[in-house]
Amino acid sequence: KNQVEQSPQSLIILEGKNCTLQCNYTVSPFSNLRWYKQDTGRGPVSLTIMTFSENTKSNGRYTATLDADTKQSSLHITASQLSDSASYICVVSDLYGNKLVFGAGTILRVKS
Amino acid sequence: NAGVMQNPRHLVRRRGQEARLRCSPMKGHSHVYWYRQLPEEGLKFMVYLQKENIIDESGMPKERFSAEFPKEGPSILRIQQVVRGDSAAYFCASSRPQGLAGGPGTDTQYFGPGTRLTVL
Repeated sequence: KNQVEQSPQSLIILEGKNCTLQCNYTVSPFSNLRWYKQDTGRGPVSLTIMTFSENTKSNGRYTATLDADTKQSSLHITASQLSDSASYICVVSDLYGNKLVFGAGTILRVKS
Repeated sequence: NAGVMQNPRHLVRRRGQEARLRCSPMKGHSHVYWYRQLPEEGLKFMVYLQKENIIDESGMPKERFSAEFPKEGPSILRIQQVVRGDSAAYFCASSRPQGLAGGPGTDTQYFGPGTRLTVL
């Protein structure tokens, strides 16, 4: 069983709408949780990084939340744009920060 | 400031040949990580290196795979006697030297564009 589970697997929304992506993890103890955006054929790009003591972190239209008690995180995208179409990956770092454990990602497609 | 560079972007090899993947970290970064991404799967950690040292290779297959990060030049991921199952995208990431607190995972890792290896 993957230590980082993401849902939904894929999502299609209309341009301008909001959406929320979910991440559940079992990595414990952990150091930090990150959300990355990966465009097709490109490397992942960091969106947010939160330590276990942080509950929320924003980066423009992206807002990530973290509940360390339930081991859940979400990424909320506001006023989606066509360029938001990508895979969004939840990544958890172990306590010593030496390894990143990646979720399989949620593929988001924004339609006009 | 150039980002993480990887070459080649695409590599085709026949079974039994060797594949060499190169990664030049961002300027000022001394930590390099290699990840493998199989189709429809998430990235999997392979190895973490600092200059001239392998820090953690727990994700590397025991045979045929090796990695180095010499004092001068790029980091190299080498796959000997490739098999079809080695076909994947291989990503390199780099990060800054760490401060006194926190391991390398506490700093942002910047990813390269990846090398897509196809084994015929």
